[in-house]
Amino acid sequence: GAVVSQHPSWVICKSGTSVKIECRSLDFQATTMFWYRQFPKQSLMLMATSNEGSKATYEQGVEKDKFLINHASLTLSTLTVTSAHPEDSSFYICSAAPAGGRYEQYFGPGTRLTVT
Amino acid sequence: KQEVTQIPAALSVPEGENLVLNCSFTDSAIYNLQWFRQDPGKGLTSLLLIQSSQREQTSGRLNASLDKSSGRSTLYIAASQPGDSATYLCAVREYSSASKIIFGSGTRLSIRP
Repeated sequence: GAVVSQHPSWVICKSGTSVKIECRSLDFQATTMFWYRQFPKQSLMLMATSNEGSKATYEQGVEKDKFLINHASLTLSTLTVTSAHPEDSSFYICSAAPAGGRYEQYFGPGTRLTVT
Repeated sequence: KQEVTQIPAALSVPEGENLVLNCSFTDSAIYNLQWFRQDPGKGLTSLLLIQSSQREQTSGRLNASLDKSSGRSTLYIAASQPGDSATYLCAVREYSSASKIIFGSGTRLSIRP
């Protein structure tokens, strides 16, 4: 149980285009989902926290207009990287916290984004 | 601001050795501490979670200890195997925002056959 999927697993896009990454909790309802970014040989940095049906909370230094997060249902959150630039190339990982399980998080397999 | 540090950044040992990975955190007011494993290009696998009231947790060949007062945790791996090669991440949850996880920079472990 407690499986989180991400789609796509990897994506290549051209500079200036937008790309959407999906995060799904497959066998539980997630009231809260988290988006992390990981640069090569670095650790995971929290980008934003999203709660179902409300606006996401962004960490300091993360541009909300560039990284659009939508948590439209209890099983799906999306991260859209708008007007992507090569410096946005990174590994994006989501995690999901079950309803009532505030201190549990289950991580997705990650999405490798390369912007050319 | 909580900071999590892991030493060493990289470690290479021959197969069969016992080894210790270190993690330190600056603010002892944590809810729990968790060790993860990450294979190259993959997501995270949770290994052990230690609640703030606990001193250690064990799973198979892995043992994690927590000394909250000194802001330290160790991950002990016994009888290492090549399959243990991965990056090991330490992460803490604070009481102030227990849903938020703060990660260390990781230790890249390589076990030589």
